[in-house]
Amino acid sequence: GQQLNQSPQSMFIQEGEDVSMNCTSSSIFNTWLWYKQDPGEGPVLLIALYKAGELTSNGRLTAQFGITRKDSFLNISASIPSDVGVYFCAGPPNTGNQFYFGTGTSLTVIP
Amino acid sequence: DAGVTQSPTHLIKTRGQQVTLRCSPISGHKSVSWYQQVLGQGPQFIFQYYEKEERGRGNFPDRFSARQFPNYSSELNVNALLLGDSALYLCASSARVWDEQFFGPGTRLTVL
Repeated sequence: GQQLNQSPQSMFIQEGEDVSMNCTSSSIFNTWLWYKQDPGEGPVLLIALYKAGELTSNGRLTAQFGITRKDSFLNISASIPSDVGVYFCAGPPNTGNQFYFGTGTSLTVIP
Repeated sequence: DAGVTQSPTHLIKTRGQQVTLRCSPISGHKSVSWYQQVLGQGPQFIFQYYEKEERGRGNFPDRFSARQFPNYSSELNVNALLLGDSALYLCASSARVWDEQFFGPGTRLTVL
């Protein structure tokens, strides 16, 4: 089945640093969604991307829809302790009838 | 406005039993999706329903079934429970098929 690979798998950063993570697939995606999940809770939608090359911001978060439509990137600027959690990319490929989540990037922010 | 709600919050069952999980979508959303999340992994897609019709299905055995009601709420049923079915079951709602999905808090199922 489809696999969305996220890198890095985990990150340990100092408060105030910027963070970059990415997500790649073997298939073309029509939509890229980025979620944050805290332990024991449901994922929370951060950013939605709909067009190749699209760059969208939500506060300190910026995400981009790769021009090949097979990847996406998420950046967090000036990290704070509440950014701690697991970040997932997700979306439906342009073929098939499923919705896929990535392998996740675990972020730890050291005060 | 209320978000996606799920019930129950936690559930403990034994192998071989059957379980029904419930989900109410955000008001105005007509699509509901179900996911299984095993500890340490990303959510795995099980089903998507839109206007009471199945619009997507993941790679899960026939023991898993779902339905959507006229008020757009949904139930997920799992028969003949296995130990490996222990997971967080997430429901998400969206306005349209394959649109932005908004998740509920999940139901934690433990199979003993």
